[in-house]
Amino acid sequence: LAKTTQPISMDSYEGQEVNITCSHNNIATNDYITWYQQFPSQGPRFIIQGYKTKVTNEVASLFIPADRKSSTLSLPRVSLSDTAVYYCLVGDERSNDYKLSFGAGTTVTVRA
Amino acid sequence: DARVTQTPRHKVTEMGQEVTMRCQPILGHNTVFWYRQTMMQGLELLAYFRNRAPLDDSGMPKDRFSAEMPDATLATLKIQPSEPRDSAVYFCASGLASQGGPLMNTEAFFGQGTRLTVV
Repeated sequence: LAKTTQPISMDSYEGQEVNITCSHNNIATNDYITWYQQFPSQGPRFIIQGYKTKVTNEVASLFIPADRKSSTLSLPRVSLSDTAVYYCLVGDERSNDYKLSFGAGTTVTVRA
Repeated sequence: DARVTQTPRHKVTEMGQEVTMRCQPILGHNTVFWYRQTMMQGLELLAYFRNRAPLDDSGMPKDRFSAEMPDATLATLKIQPSEPRDSAVYFCASGLASQGGPLMNTEAFFGQGTRLTVV
């Protein structure tokens, strides 16, 4: 079973808000939800991490419902430079796999 | 500005040759990861270390790949012999995980990667 499920791609325009939802039905009780961003020809970069409710930093907001089986990364007023692949990571208690494993990610393309 | 340093940035080699990639983790970090990225497979976790000890290398082809941490400031990934299918970008990342805590709760800092081409 996949640990996380996210859309393969999303298109947006400059100035819009982009919301990427990640499903993680098997999230472990003590695990956090972490999002990374990867630009072409660069390594992934940590964006935000949360456990429940809402977390906000200078880059994004992370919304986590009470059941924690999904999370939504929100990018406010995107610009062309936000074009990147966004990865959602969580642990999987059933597999006892606490590795930092990346899925396919969501390719976000921002157009002018 | 602390960062993970990987060398070389680019490597072109002939099939059958030995390739060694190096990584200098951020000082003080106790966890090191090695990844391989290709268009087809995405980011694959090859191996990771905690306090220099290998915790898991199940993602790594054992017959030709090896990963070590000779000391806390150096991690190496070696391929011998190299094959064209090993062509990829190899990333090293480091993080600081709490003792006994799950690795997922650690922020990982990635290097710029080594682009390997095996011809």
